[in-house]
Amino acid sequence: EPEVTQTPSHQVTQMGQEVILRCVPISNHLYFYWYRQILGQKVEFLVSFYNNEISEKSEIFDDQFSVERPDGSNFTLKIRSTKLEDSAMYFCASSATYGYTFGSGTRLTVV
Amino acid sequence: KQEVTQIPAALSVPEGENLVLNCSFTDSAIYNLQWFRQDPGKGLTSLLLIQSSQREQTSGRLNASLDKSSGRSTLYIAASQPGDSATYLCAVRGDSGAGSYQLTFGKGTKLSVIP
Repeated sequence: EPEVTQTPSHQVTQMGQEVILRCVPISNHLYFYWYRQILGQKVEFLVSFYNNEISEKSEIFDDQFSVERPDGSNFTLKIRSTKLEDSAMYFCASSATYGYTFGSGTRLTVV
Repeated sequence: KQEVTQIPAALSVPEGENLVLNCSFTDSAIYNLQWFRQDPGKGLTSLLLIQSSQREQTSGRLNASLDKSSGRSTLYIAASQPGDSATYLCAVRGDSGAGSYQLTFGKGTKLSVIP
């Protein structure tokens, strides 16, 4: 069964540093998403991406966040200057028409 | 703004029991509803997807129902097994306009099946 692949599985970074989280969505999917889950809290929507542009973003997705599809297979989330409160599990997802397929996540720890 | 609530927050049952997990949502204008399973520290595995025009979906021992007008869904697990122990998440996708691309999640029900 096709999978969404995320790398790295775990990243530790110093506060103020930039991080890039990487995702390879399912190849024939056209919609891509990033979600995050702070420990013990709900999974929260960050951003959706279609046809090489952002289609929706949440209040969380402020100017420190950006997304990019640099080539035909990768989808990245960049956090420009990490804060302690950015520590969370970040999930990438993709969809064709209906249901979502999620990746296994990147656990980001900001110290 | 859509809100999704899952009850109970945690549930412990002996192996072999049938059980029901509940999900409610405040805005009935949904496109679909999806149930996921999350193991500790892991990703989200899709279990069942119900389109807004459907009443239920079945996969193996799992059956999900949807009552869109009342804003409710249930996930029924038959003959529970220890391997079913996980957190079960309900998520709804908006119908149109703002929010139509995103999923809104509940906080989940943590299920423990005791051997």
